[in-house]
Amino acid sequence: DTEVTQTPKHLVMGMTNKKSLKCEQHMGHRAMYWYKQKAKKPPELMFVYSYEKLSINESVPSRFSPECPNSSLLNLHLHALQPEDSALYLCASSQESSSPYEQYFGPGTRLTVT
Amino acid sequence: EDQVTQSPEALRLQEGESSSLNCSYTVSGLRGLFWYRQDPGKGPEFLFTLYSAGEEKEKERLKATLTKKESFLHITAPKPEDSATYLCAVQGYNTDKLIFGTGTRLQVFP
Repeated sequence: DTEVTQTPKHLVMGMTNKKSLKCEQHMGHRAMYWYKQKAKKPPELMFVYSYEKLSINESVPSRFSPECPNSSLLNLHLHALQPEDSALYLCASSQESSSPYEQYFGPGTRLTVT
Repeated sequence: EDQVTQSPEALRLQEGESSSLNCSYTVSGLRGLFWYRQDPGKGPEFLFTLYSAGEEKEKERLKATLTKKESFLHITAPKPEDSATYLCAVQGYNTDKLIFGTGTRLQVFP
């Protein structure tokens, strides 16, 4: 099974709201990723967790706060977002981050900031 | 700097009309090159990993090949359900990141 699940599928939030995106995998993967994707653009890496520790932060604004409670779960906490943050947020996982293992993506959360 | 360029940006094919998509890359030591398929509003679906020049992989109507500078995704006798955006990505030895190309949007008409 190569499934990565994400909830919710859709999220509409105001600029003063606080919300969280959730991601789960049961493949025993030790690397998990958050990407942001705008329309007709490729995925843009935000964060990488390796063995539950943050290993890469691509200079993402602090209004995005990642959390990895355990090896199967990844959260993205959102606070005081801007309309330009509206996008498809993708979670991915791979066996490890330091070798060329393929990343498996979830279906994404479509976020709209009003 | 690691870089990936895909061409063409968009491709329209008649059903059964075979063609190839190109992925040119510049990377300081290639760990792996990846092909993904993405349907609108969905997450990318993994297709292939290629590790070294000369390697080839096949899956149904798709065949991926790799040279030292580029990769091709050959689509043989495509069907309308092959319509999607095809993304190429590379991982170099000096990074844990995937560098994505901008993709090729393929439309196959019956």
